[in-house]
Amino acid sequence: EDKVVQSPLSLVVHEGDTVTLNCSYEVTNFRSLLWYKQEKKAPTFLFMLTSSGIEKKSGRLSSILDKKELFSILNITATQTGDSAVYLCAVDRGSGGSNYKLTFGKGTLLTVNP
Amino acid sequence: ETGVTQTPRHLVMGMTNKKSLKCEQHLGHNAMYWYKQSAKKPLELMFVYNFKEQTENNSVPSRFSPECPNSSHLFLHLHTLQPEDSALYLCASRIGATGELFFGEGSRLTVL
Repeated sequence: EDKVVQSPLSLVVHEGDTVTLNCSYEVTNFRSLLWYKQEKKAPTFLFMLTSSGIEKKSGRLSSILDKKELFSILNITATQTGDSAVYLCAVDRGSGGSNYKLTFGKGTLLTVNP
Repeated sequence: ETGVTQTPRHLVMGMTNKKSLKCEQHLGHNAMYWYKQSAKKPLELMFVYNFKEQTENNSVPSRFSPECPNSSHLFLHLHTLQPEDSALYLCASRIGATGELFFGEGSRLTVL
């Protein structure tokens, strides 16, 4: 059975802090790992990672994948109150044909206090 | 605005009612998904449709019945639900077997 484990489950920081969120996985036929941010309702896409060691960056957010150790991290530098959200990690596996399944972790609830 | 629209946004129903959730996307995507999000649990995949054909049914009870009349529309028909079915139901679409999912805002369901 596919497994995606995120840690920590919740985190409280002050504005300006740097945070690192973790996602480890066990999945057959790994294809990609995705990060989403969920503030109120719809999760919004952040990154998709397919190759080990290549950092993806968007403003203050960055992410990297380690396919040997089966984990990914999401870094947020100089956090702002607007970064408060649940961050979801999902793993996509490929098995050919029409299999389109993504497995999600429980998420990390990040609270950034002013 | 992700291009995926869900209605209604909120729904309260009794255990004997029959209702439906609707999802619509005009992104040209061919795969559509229903996920259930309950408190303190991961997003749970319920159903996947690819080109209108159901390709995944994740052991969902028969009181949830999906319908995909075309690649742009997806329904979830609900009948004789239980209080533990109360959750946020998220619809998503994707252009194929790879790439990110685009999520709708969700339908918050409360079963009394």
